[in-house]
Amino acid sequence: EPEVTQTPSHQVTQMGQEVILRCVPISNHLYFYWYRQILGQKVEFLVSFYNNEISEKSEIFDDQFSVERPDGSNFTLKIRSTKLEDSAMYFCASKGGRSTDTQYFGPGTRLTVL
Amino acid sequence: AQSVTQPDIHITVSEGASLELRCNYSYGATPYLFWYVQSPGQGLQLLLKYFSGDTLVQGIKGFEAEFKRSQSSFNLRKPSVHWSDAAEYFCAVGPPGYSTLTFGKGTMLLVSP
Repeated sequence: EPEVTQTPSHQVTQMGQEVILRCVPISNHLYFYWYRQILGQKVEFLVSFYNNEISEKSEIFDDQFSVERPDGSNFTLKIRSTKLEDSAMYFCASKGGRSTDTQYFGPGTRLTVL
Repeated sequence: AQSVTQPDIHITVSEGASLELRCNYSYGATPYLFWYVQSPGQGLQLLLKYFSGDTLVQGIKGFEAEFKRSQSSFNLRKPSVHWSDAAEYFCAVGPPGYSTLTFGKGTMLLVSP
C-alpha cells in the first residue's frame, strides 16, 4: 500500500538555525499538509498546499515557516530560525483530489530545538 | 470555529472487554468526522470516517463509531479489545468538502492482561 514517508525521523538543532523537514507524499495525491504535535498537546494544522501554492494556513504558520514542492515528489517544510517552542513532532499528510478522499499521514519528524 | 473534545486522556481496559472512546465536536453544520490511531513511532492511521448517510460506520480492526447529531458526538467502540489495540486514538473533524483537520487531544488506550 502506498504511504507517506518523512525524513529525518529525528532532527536536533540549535536555536536560531534553519531546518528543512522533508516529505514524500503518495504519488498521485494533489493536496499536501503539514501538522505539528507539541509533546502532550493536540495535533495542530499548520498549512495546506495545492496546485503549487498555499491554500490555507493557520496562525501558527508565520513568516518563519515556508513550504515548497521543489520537484514532482518532495514536499518540504522550512523553519527559518528555530525557536525552543518549535520543538514538536511534525507530520506530513497528503490527499487525493476528491473532497471525500482520506488524508494519509507520514510517521512524523521529531524536531528538538536546543 | 470547529473544535474537538476527547474528555478521557487515558483509559485502561482489560483484554477482551468492550471499549468506548468519547468524542464531542463543535461545528456549525455536520462536519466530516474521523478517528485516527497512532502507535508508538508510527504515523496516524485512519480507522474510520463519517461523511453522510448511515450514522453507524464500520472501520478497520473491528472498530465502529456512531454519529449522534443531537449530542454532537462521534464515539468509537470495539466489542472486544486486543492487546495490540494499545495506542493513542485521535478524533478529528473537517468541514464538508474538507481540507484541513482539527484534532482532539487524544486518548491513550492501555490494555491490561
